[in-house]
Amino acid sequence: GAVVSQHPSWVICKSGTSVKIECRSLDFQATTMFWYRQFPKQSLMLMATSNEGSKATYEQGVEKDKFLINHASLTLSTLTVTSAHPEDSSFYICSAREGGLGEKLFFGSGTQLSVL
Amino acid sequence: TQLLEQSPQFLSIQEGENLTVYCNSSSVFSSLQWYRQEPGEGPVLLVTVVTGGEVKKLKRLTFQFGDARKDSSLHITAAQPGDTGLYLCAGEDTGNQFYFGTGTSLTVIP
Repeated sequence: GAVVSQHPSWVICKSGTSVKIECRSLDFQATTMFWYRQFPKQSLMLMATSNEGSKATYEQGVEKDKFLINHASLTLSTLTVTSAHPEDSSFYICSAREGGLGEKLFFGSGTQLSVL
Repeated sequence: TQLLEQSPQFLSIQEGENLTVYCNSSSVFSSLQWYRQEPGEGPVLLVTVVTGGEVKKLKRLTFQFGDARKDSSLHITAAQPGDTGLYLCAGEDTGNQFYFGTGTSLTVIP
């Protein structure tokens, strides 16, 4: 199956700093990537849909100025948590969709963010 | 927003027992996927079902897609500790949008 690489796996930062998370599709071109937030033992909460070369589409309630998404190429999307605060601490996961009808979602391994 | 309800939300069973997880919706999906996720990892695709009434088997796991393509079930026979994890269903609509279920956290006790 296709591989999606997500880095870093975990990050600890001080309150007020910004953190960038990268999501790369290693062996396929991903026209669409998705960013999720997840709390322990709960399902994935879609934050935004990222399309290559265009602005991301954010879900209701997600602050686009706080969670900056850039999808500059067909293999890379980044999520930047700006001015992080302890309430932003969470597990963030990206997924990428391989092009074509009936395409599947492939997930990164996630990033555990802890804001002190 | 299309809602996929999974039941039960939490399940703790002894090794060797059987279990069934349900994924229900009032919406019709063109396909439905099941994932398993372990702590600190991303979800891993187990199976995709696309035809109403379809049944797929993956070793001790049996997946079924409802006839109307609105619901699905996952049955695990003789559960093992390695089956522990969060199980997620995800429905894909005709617009290629994916909607995730509420999740079922399974713990298999040795």
